[in-house]
Amino acid sequence: AQKVTQAQTEISVVEKEDVTLDCVYETRDTTYYLFWYKQPPSGELVFLIRRNSFDEQNEISGRYSWNFQKSTSSFNFTITASQVVDSAVYFCALRQAGTALIFGKGTTLSVSS
Amino acid sequence: EAGVTQFPSHSVIEKGQTVTLRCDPISGHDNLYWYRRVMGKEIKFLLHFVKESKQDESGMPNNRFLAERTGGTYSTLKVQPAELEDSGVYFCASSPRQGYYGYTFGSGTRLTVV
Repeated sequence: AQKVTQAQTEISVVEKEDVTLDCVYETRDTTYYLFWYKQPPSGELVFLIRRNSFDEQNEISGRYSWNFQKSTSSFNFTITASQVVDSAVYFCALRQAGTALIFGKGTTLSVSS
Repeated sequence: EAGVTQFPSHSVIEKGQTVTLRCDPISGHDNLYWYRRVMGKEIKFLLHFVKESKQDESGMPNNRFLAERTGGTYSTLKVQPAELEDSGVYFCASSPRQGYYGYTFGSGTRLTVV
């Protein structure tokens, strides 16, 4: 069975704090892809990153970084020096061959000034 | 290239009425997906088209939902009759071919049933 768990329902931080959003996945396949999406208050889904199961290199993009660890089936997302514009719902998702994208329940991040 | 387009962006209808949502995928993308997020819950898969054929409709909640993709281009999702629990954001996504793991999502249609 495949499953994505985002244990943190809501997180509140103050601007400039660092914040990590957790994502744990379950799959029996050796080939799969992991994703993070952002849903701002305007409602659209914004693609942030895609990582395949054979690439465990961590990635940094500006203030965003992702830590992929197959040993713990985790794909955590860190925002450094958070800003008010980072306030959104963040979804982690998993896709295997022949299946649809499976999303976690999302983590609502609120950044206050 | 143009992205995935969905309209309307918002729709407010009364319980019992009919609503049709439309999705225009990226040109040339054979695969089209519908997802929805009901308030506060996860984004759930509804169905998957490959060209005009339904590849997987296991996520369709009940027979009040009807999806079509005539000619393998745009798709419509009709809800008839709408119920209060149908309220949420309906997303459409497309990808170019089978085995390609990337999706492009549209901006979604926010449906409110009152």
